[in-house]
Amino acid sequence: EVQLVESGGGLVQPGGSLRLSCAASGFTFSSSGMSWVRQAPGKGLEWVSSIRGSGGSTYYADSVKGRFTISRDDSKNTLYLQMSSLRAEDTAAYYCAKVVGGIDPFDYWGQGTLVTVSS
Amino acid sequence: QSALTQPASVSGSPGQSITISCTGTSSDVGGYNYVSWYQQHPGKVPKLMISDVSKRPSGVSNRFSGSKSGNTASLTISGLQADDEADYYCASYTSSSTVVFGGGTRLTVL
Repeated sequence: EVQLVESGGGLVQPGGSLRLSCAASGFTFSSSGMSWVRQAPGKGLEWVSSIRGSGGSTYYADSVKGRFTISRDDSKNTLYLQMSSLRAEDTAAYYCAKVVGGIDPFDYWGQGTLVTVSS
Repeated sequence: QSALTQPASVSGSPGQSITISCTGTSSDVGGYNYVSWYQQHPGKVPKLMISDVSKRPSGVSNRFSGSKSGNTASLTISGLQADDEADYYCASYTSSSTVVFGGGTRLTVL
């Protein structure tokens, strides 16, 4: 059974940093593309970033480029999202998702971790 | 990276069919057969319903179907059921090697 478990969310001040983690199990993590998708409270889905399998290329939405970094540790079956220079508009539930093809679509999703950027 | 355009809401009665549109540009929907659709019930995690314009993942009811014409993709749900009431999002791969979602459509089963 595929499981994705996010952690690392919380309250952070504007301009601060946070690192999200996503522990994966139930599939061959190293060869799977992975992504982060976020959803602001009461709003729609927004793709944030993807990383291809086997330490491959990374991709970012313009809204986070230069501030967020996606990475993976295949030895730990874990996906990361390092977030810096956080803004109020980054407040959202952040979902880790497994990719079916290159960088989408997303066939399995974690339960999400909430990031709140506020002073 | 402008969001794909979806109607804010659609509604239908049990047993009827409804279609949700998703309009983009030649740089996303129209340029690739990489349109997907997700269903999200309130408070729940999104679920993949359609990939690659019209492919149904294992376990998804054949009442759900997808298609595309030009820059507009569509999700059709036939034989509406009460449990189909949810938010639906389309997504597309883009020429910038990014992914863009639609704004979402709230489906109400009357």
